[in-house]
Amino acid sequence: QSVLTQPPSVSGAPGQRVTISCTGSSSNIGAGYDVHWYQQLPGTAPKLLIYGNNNRPSGVPDRFSGSESGTSPSLAITGLQAEDEADYYCQSYDSSLSGPVFGGGTKLTVL
Amino acid sequence: EVQLVESGGGLVQPGGSLRLSCAASGFTFSDYWMNWVRQAPGKGLEWVANINQDGSEKYYVDSVKGRFTISRDSAKNSLYLQVNSLRAEDTAVYYCARLRSGWNALDYWGQGSPVTVSS
Repeated sequence: QSVLTQPPSVSGAPGQRVTISCTGSSSNIGAGYDVHWYQQLPGTAPKLLIYGNNNRPSGVPDRFSGSESGTSPSLAITGLQAEDEADYYCQSYDSSLSGPVFGGGTKLTVL
Repeated sequence: EVQLVESGGGLVQPGGSLRLSCAASGFTFSDYWMNWVRQAPGKGLEWVANINQDGSEKYYVDSVKGRFTISRDSAKNSLYLQVNSLRAEDTAVYYCARLRSGWNALDYWGQGSPVTVSS
């Protein structure tokens, strides 16, 4: 069981917008630690997509954005494309573990 | 170009040991916290351990404390994970990952090294 909670799956048609939520607790997101998002394409290593709630590393399209909403931040993907089909993970820091914690992952299906 | 390349994984019997290595290049290795993250087959990501820049601070997830040891050698630009007393539930792909400066985000990952614990 993961420390952070994400929906197991989301789906959308090409061109649509989807969001993925991430819920934590008082020792991680609720304590004010930043949330980061990763994309994992099938058979590959995770890739940092968003850091610090809504910062994109170089090369990440602006179709990907993060938002902070209390203890339930989210990732939004606009203008869905077939190549966005992947698993998405949220991550924060947990003070009780002194290390990163992850959500269980959300599988995005592009219909 | 930042590169992280893991090696040392393989098939090992329950109770056995392995030493995973991660060769870093393209950045000043001694400036960064480094991490090991694992992913069991068909499952999500799980942080395993991290180590600070000079190796004086190390932290582990509870399930591996006393069995796994993280270390680093800045002269060789390498990160290591000694895994002992392996259990079936340790079966996973093990990734090394760099902690982005000033953030708790993992900005570069290796390709992963698979570890299978089975008799």
